[in-house]
Amino acid sequence: DIQMTQSPSSLSASVGDRVTITCRASQSISSYLNWYQQKPGKAPKLLIFAASSLQSGVPSRFSGSGSVTDFTLTISSLQPEDFATYYCQQSYSTPGTFGQGTKVEIK
Amino acid sequence: QITLKESGPTLVKPTQTLTLTCTFSGFSLSTSGVGVGWIRQPPGKALEWLALIYWNDDQRYSPSLKSRLTITKDTSKNQVVLTMTNMDPVDTATYYCARRQLTGTGTYYFDYWGQGTLVTVSS
Repeated sequence: DIQMTQSPSSLSASVGDRVTITCRASQSISSYLNWYQQKPGKAPKLLIFAASSLQSGVPSRFSGSGSVTDFTLTISSLQPEDFATYYCQQSYSTPGTFGQGTKVEIK
Repeated sequence: QITLKESGPTLVKPTQTLTLTCTFSGFSLSTSGVGVGWIRQPPGKALEWLALIYWNDDQRYSPSLKSRLTITKDTSKNQVVLTMTNMDPVDTATYYCARRQLTGTGTYYFDYWGQGTLVTVSS
């Protein structure tokens, strides 16, 4: 299985802050990387697919970048509704493994 | 409007077989490129990819669970069924089904998810 490692595991930030979450794959996955947001008690929500494509309806403050093994999710100006856990997922091979998650908390 | 909903038992005993049904609407599993997958999440833990079935009936499984999993589809009923044998307390989790959408570049993502169903394994 391809291992996906996110960092940090958690972070505290204030509204308006720029937030960056990284995801590293244990082998090359080209651009086959998705990002999801999950709020407590809710199903994950797709934010970014193919490393940098914004899913329809997702605010433009979310952006993704990277390729091969190193990827980044950036929130340009953190909003109150963005406090959640974020997961990366590779879709390069089966199983489509997820990272361990990054919890974004209010400072 | 695309929706998916998981159904099945909330409590199973160790060694029993779990059968979960994903009933969906708003898309067809006979459309090329479409698939439905199962993902689970133990309480307080990360997401785990379990299985995926494609429009052409091709199936993919997590290697670590492959011997215990079976995924099938009933296109006429818009349902996908996941069975997991020999359940253990470590299988306690919220189980989600999700639609898999294929992109033009060959990658895929899960764009619509069910609400999830919590399955507890306990005697």
